[in-house]
Amino acid sequence: QQPVQSPQAVILREGEDAVINCSSSKALYSVHWYRQKHGEAPVFLMILLKGGEQKGHEKISASFNEKKQQSSLYLTASQLSYSGTYFCGTHGGTSYGKLTFGQGTILTVHP
Amino acid sequence: DAGVIQSPRHEVTEMGQEVTLRCKPISGHNSLFWYRQTMMRGLELLIYFNNNVPIDDSGMPEDRFSAKMPNASFSTLKIQPSEPRDSAVYFCASSFAEKLFFGSGTQLSVL
Repeated sequence: QQPVQSPQAVILREGEDAVINCSSSKALYSVHWYRQKHGEAPVFLMILLKGGEQKGHEKISASFNEKKQQSSLYLTASQLSYSGTYFCGTHGGTSYGKLTFGQGTILTVHP
Repeated sequence: DAGVIQSPRHEVTEMGQEVTLRCKPISGHNSLFWYRQTMMRGLELLIYFNNNVPIDDSGMPEDRFSAKMPNASFSTLKIQPSEPRDSAVYFCASSFAEKLFFGSGTQLSVL
């Protein structure tokens, strides 16, 4: 079942912060975050495993609350290069890395 | 490493024609995934292989779609006959340590 992302779209000015949420109705083993720029392929950002850990990539970090079956992606002091569509992918624990992606959140950063 | 290589980048065909999409995964990656991306349905997993064996093809829309992985360095996705609703971007991805590495995609237009 597809995870649900919110919001669907975010518009920011450079330097502003944003949070993107991802929730699932099923128990999760891990949550994966990818960013896709227009006309390009999705690119891996980070994986979060059960345990509520936070991870970081540039000024982008994320948390995972397995009890609530939710993950949040935090973008701090946004840069123009952060623009793109962010997807969360959820993993129910199978052995082969099968991910089900959310519908995506479009992030636009303006100067 | 050249990354995941897909061909062709663009394919325009007429309804009823056979279409074959090709993918060369990153050497050493033992899982391969075919995804389809559309505005309406987002990123959908069609099929994935582990060690060249199809593990889950539940996402394949119908019998018109078939995929093969004859060896560790090559996979094909075939649509026969093609229909206009098959128009989409088709991504191939290979994985290592649960990270997906996507190819550049094939933009398929069925007229």
